[in-house]
Amino acid sequence: NAGVTQTPKFQVLKTGQSMTLQCAQDMNHEYMSWYRQDPGMGLRLIHYSVGAGITDQGEVPNGYNVSRSTTEDFPLRLLSAAPSQTSVYFCASSQGGDLAKNIQYFGAGTRLSVL
Amino acid sequence: AQRVTQPEKLLSVFKGAPVELKCNYSYSGSPELFWYVQYSRQRLQLLLRHISRESIKGFTADLNKGETSFHLKKPFAQEEDSAMYYCALIAGNTNAGKSTFGDGTTLTVKP
Repeated sequence: NAGVTQTPKFQVLKTGQSMTLQCAQDMNHEYMSWYRQDPGMGLRLIHYSVGAGITDQGEVPNGYNVSRSTTEDFPLRLLSAAPSQTSVYFCASSQGGDLAKNIQYFGAGTRLSVL
Repeated sequence: AQRVTQPEKLLSVFKGAPVELKCNYSYSGSPELFWYVQYSRQRLQLLLRHISRESIKGFTADLNKGETSFHLKKPFAQEEDSAMYYCALIAGNTNAGKSTFGDGTTLTVKP
């Protein structure tokens, strides 16, 4: 059981480049989320989705796009990378539906550097 | 908006000593609170949650609505407890998938 899979694990970009961080889950979870973690700080929500075809912004959405065409996949797109987007990115999923199912399961993270 | 505060970035204790990791929150409704842990070279994972009211790996956490706190406690720390600990809040069941995290506490248990 793979759980939540993120690719790539590491990435270096130049300012202005675009890229997509991949996230896939095999638990049939309805809820998926993207967080970023900067040094010395907690995780901050970028975008989230409550099901296929439904996405919404989190706390720090600027410079990022998401889509959810299937239950399994939730890619995060950096439109024009900036040094301020250097961070570790985590994808998470949860079943949702009631209080007992709100545990989030996390991917291993993608470490992104923008030069 | 809700907020989670973990006042200690670093906490160091000796093996066998009690440990308490503090978590305070601000939210006007009924929160759902979690402690997540990240061991070295592992992914972030759930340690425990307030609705379960259970002890995991010897850790317990009690929700104190009067003090808006959800401190994590263990009476006798072990070296394998060394990790990064995050307190997290979900603002009601309609906000599943939207966790608010504290900045985390790095716990080091010395031999």
